[in-house]
Amino acid sequence: DVQLVQSGAEAKKPGESLKISCKTSGYSFSNYWIGWVRQMPGKGLEWMGLIFPGDSFSPYSPSLQGHFTISVDKSITTAYLQWSSLKASDTAMYYCARQNHSWGAFDSWGQGTLVTVSS
Amino acid sequence: SYELTQPPSVSVSPGQTARITCSADALPKQYASWYQKKPGQAPVLVIYKDNERPSGIPERFSGSSSGTTVTLTISGVQAEDEADYYCQSGDGSGIYPFGGGTKLTVL
Repeated sequence: DVQLVQSGAEAKKPGESLKISCKTSGYSFSNYWIGWVRQMPGKGLEWMGLIFPGDSFSPYSPSLQGHFTISVDKSITTAYLQWSSLKASDTAMYYCARQNHSWGAFDSWGQGTLVTVSS
Repeated sequence: SYELTQPPSVSVSPGQTARITCSADALPKQYASWYQKKPGQAPVLVIYKDNERPSGIPERFSGSSSGTTVTLTISGVQAEDEADYYCQSGDGSGIYPFGGGTKLTVL
């Protein structure tokens, strides 16, 4: 049974750092891409980027890149999304998802992590 | 950048057919996927590879592709199908943007 379990909700202040996680199980971690998707309050889904655990190659959204980093720890089959300096505009629900790269679909999703950034 | 355009909203009565389009702004168009998103829930994949349905997705959901436009069709719409629907496709360089989303209202 494929499972992606995300870390819990976070409340942070602007300028703080944060790392949220996505623990996977039930499949061969190194053989599937993992992606992160953002949904800001009242807005649509935004593709943030992907990572291939096999070699950590990680394409990012051209419009969003530079503000966050996607990484993995293969030893514990976990993917991460991190920020070094949060902004209020980072307030959103974040989802991780497994991608079937043959046709580019996210076929399994985490439950989401709500990140709130407020002073 | 590669953009996918969807109508903001579609409304149908129960039992009717809903069609949601998604147009890419350039070639090449890779396979498209469709997701259903309900408030408070994670997205669910309902169509992949333009017209394939994952196991567990009702047969009333189908997909098609013509040129740079893909279409999600929901036949015999039910109240439970009311949700936001998003298309997604790749640009060939490893980027897989979503469309802006379509709110399906069941009247």
